[in-house]
Amino acid sequence: DTEVTQTPKHLVMGMTNKKSLKCEQHMGHRAMYWYKQKAKKPPELMFVYSYEKLSINESVPSRFSPECPNSSLLNLHLHALQPEDSALYLCASRQGSNRARGREDTQYFGPGTRLTVL
Amino acid sequence: AQSVTQLDSHVSVSEGTPVLLRCNYSSSYSPSLFWYVQHPNKGLQLLLKYTSAATLVKGINGFEAEFKKSETSFHLTKPSAHMSDAAEYFCVVSDRRNQFYFGTGTSLTVIP
Repeated sequence: DTEVTQTPKHLVMGMTNKKSLKCEQHMGHRAMYWYKQKAKKPPELMFVYSYEKLSINESVPSRFSPECPNSSLLNLHLHALQPEDSALYLCASRQGSNRARGREDTQYFGPGTRLTVL
Repeated sequence: AQSVTQLDSHVSVSEGTPVLLRCNYSSSYSPSLFWYVQHPNKGLQLLLKYTSAATLVKGINGFEAEFKKSETSFHLTKPSAHMSDAAEYFCVVSDRRNQFYFGTGTSLTVIP
C-alpha cells in the first residue's frame, strides 16, 4: 500500500478564516512534506518533517503553520490567507532513512487539496 | 548542487505513435532519478525510478527510461501513446540528503 490521503479535496475560504488541511499515511514513513503547486508549475517545497520534527521551512509566511501530531499525520493550519495563496496543496511522504537506497528514496504523493482564497 | 532540465515544455503526439520526453540532470554524484505523472487536478503518481541498478528502467503503463551517465540524461519513452497518457510529466532528482528537485514539467498532448 503506497497511499497518502488528504482532506478536504476542495476548500474555499475567506481571508479572515482559519482552516486546516490534513494528510495521513500508514506506510510507516518518517518523513512528510508539504508542497504548494500553482497551475502548470512544478510543486514548490514548503515544509519537511523528519521523525516528527520540523527539519525544513522554505521561508514560508507565518500564515501557514505546519503540525505533525504523530508519525502518521501532518496538518497545515491556515490563517489570514491571501488570494495569491490559492493553489493545489500536496502532501508527500518518504521512508525517511538517509542510509539505504531503493524504495526509501521515493516520495509518495497524496491527491492534494484544491484551495481557493476569496 | 542538483538540478533538472526538462527540454520541452509541451510535446504533442498522435495516438499510437512513440512518446519521448527529455530530461537532463546535473549532479555531483550518482543521483536517484524519478519520473512522475500528474493528471489534471490530481496528485503526482510515480511512473518509474532509477537508483544505480539497471540503467534501463521499466515503469507503469508501458513507460520506460534510460539512465545515460555520459549524457547526464534520463529520457522517458513509450512505444505507443494512448489518449489516457495526456498529462503533465515531471522529472525529479534527489540528493544525498533526500532533497527532491523538480524539473519545470512537460505537458503531453495526445491527438486522436
